Amino acid sequence: GESVGLHLPTLSVQEGDNSIINCAYSNSASDYFIWYKQESGKGPQFIIDIRSNMDKRQGQRVTVLLNKTVKHLSLQIAATQPGDSAVYFCAENNPGANNLFFGTGTRLTVIP
Amino acid sequence: NAGVTQTPKFRILKIGQSMTLQCTQDMNHNYMYWYRQDPGMGLKLIYYSVGAGITDKGEVPNGYNVSRSTTEDFPLRLELAAPSQTSVYFCASSYSRLAGDPSTDTQYFGPGTRLTVL
Repeated sequence: GESVGLHLPTLSVQEGDNSIINCAYSNSASDYFIWYKQESGKGPQFIIDIRSNMDKRQGQRVTVLLNKTVKHLSLQIAATQPGDSAVYFCAENNPGANNLFFGTGTRLTVIP
Repeated sequence: NAGVTQTPKFRILKIGQSMTLQCTQDMNHNYMYWYRQDPGMGLKLIYYSVGAGITDKGEVPNGYNVSRSTTEDFPLRLELAAPSQTSVYFCASSYSRLAGDPSTDTQYFGPGTRLTVL
């Protein structure tokens, strides 16, 4: 099976600081990665994705970096706000599988 | 658009009981999915459907059944509830899957159903 893990289960940051959430994956054949945000009591919400032929992708206040050499994915959130407090999941797709594999999640807490 | 809706929000079952978790989407999406999320864990795919009349197993299908008679609806059936099925269940839908276009690949999730089996 797949192994998508996160280095830190919890992360606390001051409001206004940048946040970096990390994710390791084990399958070098994975070709597509997604970050989801899940607020308490809600379903996951798509944030940003990246294909394996890219190493960086930017969205609004978020950047995803992909390092295929060490099989590492990160999500950077600029100027973190209290509304960013949530659990963040990375997910990977292996072309040989029929579903995405999700990591266990990192809980981000923003301190006002 | 209401997006993806799920009912019920909460349910407590006794061991051996059966129930159906309802999921409806009004976005005309082809793909629909059922996931379960155990405490402190990521999502695991139970079943998915690529269109009306077509379903396929995901990572953890045992103990569940699905059907897709319409584009909008994708109910999940538990026939003989077991304590191991205590979890939060999420339904999701997408227009496409891994087409390389996030505007169509993105999975939209419902609010979830919290199920406890005692």
